[in-house]
Amino acid sequence: GAVVSQHPSWVICKSGTSVKIECRSLDFQATTMFWYRQFPKQSLMLMATSNEGSKATYEQGVEKDKFLINHASLTLSTLTVTSAHPEDSSFYICSVGQGANQPQHFGDGTRLSIL
Amino acid sequence: RKEVEQDPGPFNVPEGATVAFNCTYSNSASQSFFWYRQDCRKEPKLLMSVYSSGNEDGRFTAQLNRASQYISLLIRDSKLSDSATYLCVVNPSGGYNKLIFGAGTRLAVHP
Repeated sequence: GAVVSQHPSWVICKSGTSVKIECRSLDFQATTMFWYRQFPKQSLMLMATSNEGSKATYEQGVEKDKFLINHASLTLSTLTVTSAHPEDSSFYICSVGQGANQPQHFGDGTRLSIL
Repeated sequence: RKEVEQDPGPFNVPEGATVAFNCTYSNSASQSFFWYRQDCRKEPKLLMSVYSSGNEDGRFTAQLNRASQYISLLIRDSKLSDSATYLCVVNPSGGYNKLIFGAGTRLAVHP
């Protein structure tokens, strides 16, 4: 499956800071990437679908002005959590799908802690 | 009703045991199905896709019953390293559309 690299692995920062997370598809040109969030003891929840060269598609309840997604190339999507607050602390994971009805392959995830 | 439902467990089993996990999904038009495993504080990793005819990969067997909207995973000869959370995952509409994750079933294999 696709090899997906996510950076950084851990972020600890003060409330009000903006944090950028990068997701790279290392061996596959991905027109579509996905961003998920997982709170402790809960399932992964899709936040948005990142589309290369166009606007991301956000899931209901996800604030697009707070979670900025940029997918400027076929190998890189970024998620920026703007003015992060403690309630944004979570495990953020990106994934790449390699085709219709194919499984997605996940990056290592980013653990975000806002103090 | 949740789109994908799993028994949360935990399932505590001894090494060598056979254990089965069940999953139901609500959208009868769902196109593709997967089992992932997730270790504590790690990303999900694909365990296997689930095909209509059923499929096996070593000690793991997956079954799909479209009529009942039911998916299962059987693990034979459990190993300590099988301890993890197993996620039932459904693509409700095919294509590149989103995956729906179950909440996961936790398995703990003990010596």
